[in-house]
This record gives sequence, C-alpha cells and structure tokens, in this order.
Amino acid sequence: NAGVTQTPKFQVLKTGQSMTLQCAQDMNHEYMSWYRQDPGMGLRLIHYSVGAGITDQGEVPNGYNVSRSTTEDFPLRLLSAAPSQTSVYFCASSYGTVGEKLFFGSGTQLSVL
Amino acid sequence: KQEVTQIPAALSVPEGENLVLNCSFTDSAIYNLQWFRQDPGKGLTSLLLIQSSQREQTSGRLNASLDKSSGRSTLYIAASQPGDSATYLCAVPARGTYKYIFGTGTRLKVLA
Repeated sequence: NAGVTQTPKFQVLKTGQSMTLQCAQDMNHEYMSWYRQDPGMGLRLIHYSVGAGITDQGEVPNGYNVSRSTTEDFPLRLLSAAPSQTSVYFCASSYGTVGEKLFFGSGTQLSVL
Repeated sequence: KQEVTQIPAALSVPEGENLVLNCSFTDSAIYNLQWFRQDPGKGLTSLLLIQSSQREQTSGRLNASLDKSSGRSTLYIAASQPGDSATYLCAVPARGTYKYIFGTGTRLKVLA
C-alpha cells in the first residue's frame, strides 16, 4: 500500500513549456485534489475531483487542466508554464469528500525559468 | 468566504513544555476541522480530524478541541519533544463544498 504517489519530485521548465504532474493513489479513494504551496500563502486548491469523470475548479485553476479517467489517477497539466507557477505542488486524496482524513503525496517542486 | 488564520506563525519552546497552537476560522458552518503536520520538504500528514458534532479529539500527546460558535480550534501538545518540531496546519472545508481551506501554519521548534 503506497498511499499517494507523486512524480516527478523535482522539475525545471522553461517559460511556455507544458508538462504533466502525475498523482496516483492505491487506497480506492473517491476524492482527489491538487494544491500548490507558496511561502506566506499556505496551500491553495487548484482543482479537485469527487470521482472518475468528475472534476471541478478550486481557488487558483487558471493555467492548469485536470482529468480523472480512473479512480486511481489524477494528473495535473500545465498548459504553458509561467514563472508564477513556480511552487511546490501537492496531491491529496480521501475516501469520502469532506468527512474523511486527507492523505497527501510528498510533493513536486517545480521551477519555471 | 471562509478564511483560516493561525497564530503565532512561529514558536520556539524548550523540551518538555506543554503548548497550544491556535486556529481561527470565519465561517462556523463547517463539516469538520483537520490538523496536519508538515516536516521540511515533505507532504502533510493528518494528525486529528474533528467532526462538527465533536468537541475534541485525542491521539497520544495531542489533543485538538473545536468551538464552532467562536470559530476556534486549538491543538494541545503535551510534554513537547524535539521530534515535534515541524509546521502545524489546520484546514476546514468551505461552506457546502469539497474545498479545504488551509491556514498558513505555525512553525514549531522544540529545543533539546
């Protein structure tokens, strides 16, 4: 039981490049979400999903896309990277929606030059 | 709009002290409140989850209380140890949504 797995751990991009951050969980969790963490701003929700085929926007969705084709995977796509997207990204999941503990991955540190 | 505040931002205490971390939220209509621990360069680990119908939860040396009417939660750490050094964050779901709102955390350092 690996929990929530994020890849890669580190990534450097040039402005305008695109990439996908991977997130997978093996706990059969319905709820999955993506956060970014910036100094002094805490964690902010980017997108979330309450089940396969269902996604919705969080606080800061611009510049990011998500899809949820399976229960296990919830990739986050950066369409055209900008320096403002330099951050640490965390994926989180829970069995239910708001009544259950959130489990976090170990994060992806992304730098956009 | 739900806002979550944690004060102080940083705290340094000698080993063995009992300490209290504070979390305030502006909208009392919450499903639950979670406390998390984050070690440097790591993800968050859920410590305690308090449902809206509960007043407190305990796990080992940790005790979290919830007062919805005043919009406050406290995390009590008994007999602090250097291994407790980390950042502690609280989070609540925004009203009627699945969106968790996080505080900016309290960075705790326990000195040996």
